[in-house]
Amino acid sequence: GAGVSQSPRYKVAKRGQDVALRCDPISGHVSLFWYQQALGQGPEFLTYFQNEAQLDKSGLPSDRFFAERPEGSVSTLKIQRTQQEDSAVYLCASSLAPDRGGGYTFGSGTRLTVV
Amino acid sequence: AQSVSQHNHHVILSEAASLELGCNYSYGGTVNLFWYVQYPGQHLQLLLKYFSGDPLVKGIKGFEAEFIKSKFSFNLRKPSVQWSDTAEYFCAVIGNTGKLIFGQGTTLQVKP
Repeated sequence: GAGVSQSPRYKVAKRGQDVALRCDPISGHVSLFWYQQALGQGPEFLTYFQNEAQLDKSGLPSDRFFAERPEGSVSTLKIQRTQQEDSAVYLCASSLAPDRGGGYTFGSGTRLTVV
Repeated sequence: AQSVSQHNHHVILSEAASLELGCNYSYGGTVNLFWYVQYPGQHLQLLLKYFSGDPLVKGIKGFEAEFIKSKFSFNLRKPSVQWSDTAEYFCAVIGNTGKLIFGQGTTLQVKP
C-alpha cells in the first residue's frame, strides 16, 4: 500500500492478557521503528529493525515486550501479561534509510487500553 | 543522551495571530531536525525537516523553522495561523544513534 498500515486500530485487553500488534511498512522500506505514545506525551522509542535484524531494542520497557520482523517486512510487537501502564498508542514507522534523507512515515497507530 | 525540549505545552491563539513554538535539543554533533504535526484523530505527518544548508527551512502549509546551531534551537513559526492548524506539534531530532527522538509536544488551539 501507499502508507504504513497498523492493525488493529483499537485493542482493549484485560490485565494479564497477551496482545499482538501488527505493522505493515511501506514496501521496500528497510528500516522499521516502534514507538509508544502515552496520553499527552511525545512518542518514545521502543525498538528498531533494519530488514529482519533487530538493531536496537533499548527502549523496550520490560521483558514482557517483544518485537519481531522475521522476513524483513511485516513486524509484530507482542506484549505479554499486559499491565495498566501499558495503555498507550503504539506507533510504527518505516524508512528507506534510518537517518539522513530517508524520512520516517508513520502509521495511524494502535490504541491499546488495558482494563 | 540526546533529548528534545519543547517550551510550550499548550498554546491558544486567535486566527491570523503569529505562531512561534520553541524547540531545543541536547546533542553537540551533527543533527537532523524535524517538526511533525498530528491533527486530531490522524497520524503523525512531517511538516518540515533540516539536514544541512540554509538554516531557514520552509515546510508545508506556510510553516517554517530556523536552525540556530549556537542556541541548539529549531523553533517553528507561521506568520498567520488558521483554525485548521489546531493540532499537536512535535519537534524531533536524529543524532548519531539513528533514532528519531521526540519532544513532549505542544498542543495548539486556534480560536476561529
